[in-house]
Amino acid sequence: DGGITQSPKYLFRKEGQNVTLSCEQNLNHDAMYWYRQDPGQGLRLIYYSQIVNDFQKGDIAEGYSVSREKKESFPLTVTSAQKNPTAFYLCASTLRGQNTEAFFGQGTRLTVV
Amino acid sequence: AQSVTQLDSHVSVSEGTPVLLRCNYSSSYSPSLFWYVQHPNKGLQLLLKYTSAATLVKGINGFEAEFKKSETSFHLTKPSAHMSDAAEYFCVVSDWVSSYKLIFGSGTRLLVRP
Repeated sequence: DGGITQSPKYLFRKEGQNVTLSCEQNLNHDAMYWYRQDPGQGLRLIYYSQIVNDFQKGDIAEGYSVSREKKESFPLTVTSAQKNPTAFYLCASTLRGQNTEAFFGQGTRLTVV
Repeated sequence: AQSVTQLDSHVSVSEGTPVLLRCNYSSSYSPSLFWYVQHPNKGLQLLLKYTSAATLVKGINGFEAEFKKSETSFHLTKPSAHMSDAAEYFCVVSDWVSSYKLIFGSGTRLLVRP
C-alpha cells in the first residue's frame, strides 16, 4: 500500500541537541511539506519542497533545516537554535496540479527534556 | 494571493443534530479546496475536495460541502452528528499554480454532546 511514513512517533531531545525527524513516501509525489502544530493551534509551515534538490522556507523556518536528496524522502532536522521545539510535527506530500490532495503522515511528537 | 478563514474556532452540537462548519476563501484563480479532519494525536485525513465538476461535494462519513463562488465559501455540513465526529476540522486551499503551498485555516474543534 502506498503511503507516507513518519518516524519515530515519539522523540525526546535534550537541550542543545539536534534531532532529525524522518518522512518517507512511496506515492511518487513531487511535493513534500513539514508542518508544526502546537496545542489548540493550526498548522504552521516550516519548509516545503516541490522537486528533488530544491526546497523553500515556510513561515517558521528558523531553527530548522531540511534536505531533499531523494524524491521519496524529506527529513527535518530540529537544531539547537530552535528555542521552543516541543510540538507535534506533521509531514505531507502531494502531486503537483489542481485538485490533488495532500497525504499526511501520522506525526512525530517531539518533547524537550 | 490564497487565503482561507474558518469562522468558528469551536462548534458544539448534540448527537443527531446537523453540523455546520464555516470556511471562506480567497483565491486569485480557480481554487483548489479541501476539508481535512484530525483526531487527537493523529495525522490529517481527507474528508472531501472541490474539483469544479460539481458545486456540492460529497465526502466520507456523510459529510458534504457546497462551493459558492459568489460568497467565496466552502462550508462543511453533515445532517446528523455522531459522537465519533468529535475532532478538529481544517479547511485548506492549495496554491496549485505557483508554489504548491497548502494554506490552512486555523481549524474548528467540533464537540458532540450525547
